[in-house]
Amino acid sequence: QSALTQPASVSGSPGQSITISCTGTSSDVGGYNYVSWYQQHPGKAPKLIIYGVSNRPSGVSNRFSGSKSGNMASLTISGLQAEDEADYYCNSYTSSDTWVFGGGTKLTVL
Amino acid sequence: QVQLVESGGGVVQPGRSLRLSCAASGFTFSSSGMHWVRQAPGKGLEWVAVISHDGRNKHYADSVRGRFTVSRDNSKNTLYLQMNSLRADDTAVYYCAKDRSRNWCFDYWGQGTLVTVSS
Repeated sequence: QSALTQPASVSGSPGQSITISCTGTSSDVGGYNYVSWYQQHPGKAPKLIIYGVSNRPSGVSNRFSGSKSGNMASLTISGLQAEDEADYYCNSYTSSDTWVFGGGTKLTVL
Repeated sequence: QVQLVESGGGVVQPGRSLRLSCAASGFTFSSSGMHWVRQAPGKGLEWVAVISHDGRNKHYADSVRGRFTVSRDNSKNTLYLQMNSLRADDTAVYYCAKDRSRNWCFDYWGQGTLVTVSS
């Protein structure tokens, strides 16, 4: 149950786009379309922003999008806003009937 | 609206036990799988355990298997996590989260309860 690999930090200016990668294996990210992404502001509970690789829950801005190629998933945030500054975590279901998170990525809006 | 409220956290000595509860409302609890996820201070999220809607199927992270037990009481709309043989590295905020059916993700989260394992 090794954690998925995410960059520790990314940054961008308001209005720009950024992409956060999430690398796993064929036993998790590459084996299932069950990759999800969560946004967490300091002191708050995580919030689901992408599920099933690329689906947005109702109420989540269409500035958030997800994709997957092989063992790597990606989260793209377009039109960066100050409120997007937060920690982002990817997650995948695994072949062991467990779930695994990425180590998290801190997004800074410059 | 969906509400998940955890309770039972606190300070406990290494080797002792603690039971967390998660009271659910706003959805059909007996139809939903439920998870526990934890977050050590200043660290990332770690999935802990899952229980199926009827309580028959349970799975655990390697780090807690054999020490933690997840259970539920559908008549009380409540999820539990029994934590035994606690260690310092179990110190974390523990969140309960609702499983989004057929999508294998966590669509609603509680606000968490802090467990501190310290002598």
